[in-house]
Amino acid sequence: KQEVTQIPAALSVPEGENLVLNCSFTDSAIYNLQWFRQDPGKGLTSLLLIQSSQREQTSGRLNASLDKSSGRSTLYIAASQPGDSATYLCAISPMEYGNKLVFGAGTILRVKS
Amino acid sequence: KAGVTQTPRYLIKTRGQQVTLSCSPISGHRSVSWYQQTPGQGLQFLFEYFSETQRNKGNFPGRFSGRQFSNSRSEMNVSTLELGDSALYLCASTPEQGSVYGYTFGSGTRLTVV
Repeated sequence: KQEVTQIPAALSVPEGENLVLNCSFTDSAIYNLQWFRQDPGKGLTSLLLIQSSQREQTSGRLNASLDKSSGRSTLYIAASQPGDSATYLCAISPMEYGNKLVFGAGTILRVKS
Repeated sequence: KAGVTQTPRYLIKTRGQQVTLSCSPISGHRSVSWYQQTPGQGLQFLFEYFSETQRNKGNFPGRFSGRQFSNSRSEMNVSTLELGDSALYLCASTPEQGSVYGYTFGSGTRLTVV
């Protein structure tokens, strides 16, 4: 059974700091990995999608890497801002299950001004 | 282009009642998936529909059901509501194979069962 773990569960940093969120998964047989952001009580906003054949994706201040063989992904946020405060979720699309996402529990990020 | 639209945004129901939630995917997207999010269990997969057929189902009781119409819009139904069904229900759409395009989520329907 595919499991996704996110570390840390919560993170509080001062504005301007660079930070790394970690995601690990148990089975390397995935189609892709997707990072989402969720604001309180809201839906999910897709941040980055990394296909299994890719090593990283970048969007603005965000950079996500994927090491499929070791079952790990990291989301790097540069020069954090208070507006980055949210829950960040990592999700994989396992080959075993077709069109289905398996989510981690998320990392709650607070950026202090 | 318009995103994934879920209606209603909020619902309050009484135990034992039934409820129907609606999801309109992005135009051209043929696959619609449903997820339940609770503080204790996180995000859990309910089911996925493609071309009006359920292709995949999560580990939920038969009280949870869904369907998809020819225009790809989907509905989810929960019968005999229980207090534990209180959750944020999220819908996601993807063109065909999520493995290539990833998923776009709606804003969700917040269901409260009292």
